[in-house]
Amino acid sequence: GDSVTQMEGPVTLSEEAFLTINCTYTATGYPSLFWYVQYPGEGLQLLLKATKADDKGSNKGFEATYRKETTSFHLEKGSVQVSDSAVYFCALSRVTGGGNKLTFGTGTQLKVEL
Amino acid sequence: DSGVTQTPKHLITATGQRVTLRCSPRSGDLSVYWYQQSLDQGLQFLIQYYNGEERAKGNILERFSAQQFPDLHSELNLSSLELGDSALYFCASSPLLAGGGDTQYFGPGTRLTVL
Repeated sequence: GDSVTQMEGPVTLSEEAFLTINCTYTATGYPSLFWYVQYPGEGLQLLLKATKADDKGSNKGFEATYRKETTSFHLEKGSVQVSDSAVYFCALSRVTGGGNKLTFGTGTQLKVEL
Repeated sequence: DSGVTQTPKHLITATGQRVTLRCSPRSGDLSVYWYQQSLDQGLQFLIQYYNGEERAKGNILERFSAQQFPDLHSELNLSSLELGDSALYFCASSPLLAGGGDTQYFGPGTRLTVL
């Protein structure tokens, strides 16, 4: 079945450091790929998405490129801020049968310190 | 604010009891999804409804059931509760039935504690 593997956390960085969170997936066909972010005590918010190979999703300085050849969708940001501290989830969706669902990775906690 | 509302925010109950969680989707969204987030299982898809009909099912226990009403709000019913059902339950909504790139918008969640 479909699965998403994310790098283990927690990740602790200093402010203005470069961020990479690795994500790889297993799925048949052509899934869409997403990064969601969960701030403490809140629900999930869409950060960015890509719907086909070589697409780059970007938002708020975060970027991720859909790489079909390596089945990856790594999240990057050039300079993190304290306000980026949150849990980041990689996810895929694939149309199956009559419906749709998101399959999530385990989440990566990011802590940014001054 | 995603536009998806969930009530209640917190729920504390005892083993063996039954509870109902409620979700109102974003205006215009026809699909509603339920997810469970727990420490040991992570985020797991439970079930999807589209315009009142069940369309996809995940790892939902037989003790759990859901429905979507004509006004498109949805309810998740959890019965014969066990300690292991303690989790955060999220509702999400999207405009389409099965658009591959369709974004799902999440509510703030209901935290269920079973004592």
